[in-house]
Amino acid sequence: QKEVEQDPGPLSVPEGAIVSLNCTYSNSAFQYFMWYRQYSRKGPELLMYTYSSGNKEDGRFTAQVDKSSKYISLFIRDSQPSDSATYLCAMTPGNQFYFGTGTSLTVIP
Amino acid sequence: NAGVMQNPRHLVRRRGQEARLRCSPMKGHSHVYWYRQLPEEGLKFMVYLQKENIIDESGMPKERFSAEFPKEGPSILRIQQVVRGDSAAYFCASSPRTTGVPNYGYTFGSGTRLTVV
Repeated sequence: QKEVEQDPGPLSVPEGAIVSLNCTYSNSAFQYFMWYRQYSRKGPELLMYTYSSGNKEDGRFTAQVDKSSKYISLFIRDSQPSDSATYLCAMTPGNQFYFGTGTSLTVIP
Repeated sequence: NAGVMQNPRHLVRRRGQEARLRCSPMKGHSHVYWYRQLPEEGLKFMVYLQKENIIDESGMPKERFSAEFPKEGPSILRIQQVVRGDSAAYFCASSPRTTGVPNYGYTFGSGTRLTVV
């Protein structure tokens, strides 16, 4: 079983839609949960992170962590064409990072 | 303040040749991490280095792969006798210190795309 599972998509939505991206994990030791955005031919860039369970909001982005279900989500409101990228979840118990495979998102104008 | 610099951006090698990938961390960062990204598999941790020390190489294949981070100069990921299965994007990240907390500045470079023909 993989440490982190993420649906690769691809996901295609119209501009203005709400996007929901999800990951599940198996390691109870994970404490920090992150979402990275990766544009084509670029390195991942940190979008949001949360510590332990709960919600965190930053502009149009909301990250949720449910440690009891080992499930994390990223919501994008009012999606824009510039949000088109691959979104990777990542998590760590405190040292090595474990990444999901990434979900490819296309926002159609 | 330049970000994490990786070169070359693209590297083509024939089977059996050696590949050398370079990573210059951000200024002030003394910790370097190498990841490999294969299609359909996501980013996989390979090795974590500090200056002149390998801290964790648990993700590194046992044969043909090595990494170093000398006192002076960039970190080098070296792949000997490359095979087609080594074709992937190799990313380097750096941080100012040991961290599992992302806002300490775990920054990725743009990667080196290795193609073995």
